[in-house]
Amino acid sequence: DIQMTQSPSSLSASVGDRVTITCRASQGISNYLAWYQQKPGKVPKLLIYAASTLQSGVPSRFSGSGSGTDFTLTISSLQPEDVATYYCQKYNSALWTFGQGTKVEIK
Amino acid sequence: QVQLVQSGAEVKKPGASVKVSCKASGYTFTGYYMHWVRQAPGQGLEWMGRINPNSGGTNYAQKFQGRVTMTRDTSISTAYMELSRLRSDDTAVYYCARDPVAGGHDYWGQGTLVTVSS
Repeated sequence: DIQMTQSPSSLSASVGDRVTITCRASQGISNYLAWYQQKPGKVPKLLIYAASTLQSGVPSRFSGSGSGTDFTLTISSLQPEDVATYYCQKYNSALWTFGQGTKVEIK
Repeated sequence: QVQLVQSGAEVKKPGASVKVSCKASGYTFTGYYMHWVRQAPGQGLEWMGRINPNSGGTNYAQKFQGRVTMTRDTSISTAYMELSRLRSDDTAVYYCARDPVAGGHDYWGQGTLVTVSS
């Protein structure tokens, strides 16, 4: 099975900072990668699919990049409402897998 | 508008089974795979498997093979996830989530808390 590893597990940044989260696949998955945001007590929300395509309604400060095994989620200017846990997910086969999550807090 | 409405919270004893439902509305139920994802308290998201509502075909994560069964009733646009031989570490919120084909899960149910306790 392909494993998805996110880093860091948590981070603390100031409002306005650029934040980058990394997701690495144990084997190549082309661009079959999605990113989610989950706020405490809420249902996960799809941010990005196909590694870099922004889901409708998601603010443009979120962006995704990468292909193959290495992917990044970038928040260009961190806002207080971005406090959440972020997950990557691969879907290149019939079996999908989430990363372990990255918790983002405000410093 | 697309909605996925799940059944209510359950409390089960170890060794029992639980069946969670997910009623879809606002789109053609048979046109999109339905997935099940769970989240234990304070833990991350865990993909369990998916069902093709058109054919009934399923794919399950290896961890749940032999214990999970996903089914559907197209007449009422409802997907089901049954987990058997429950253990305490199966205590979690279980979500259904639609697969929009383009990738990821675009719509999610509200979640169903399953508590396994003696």
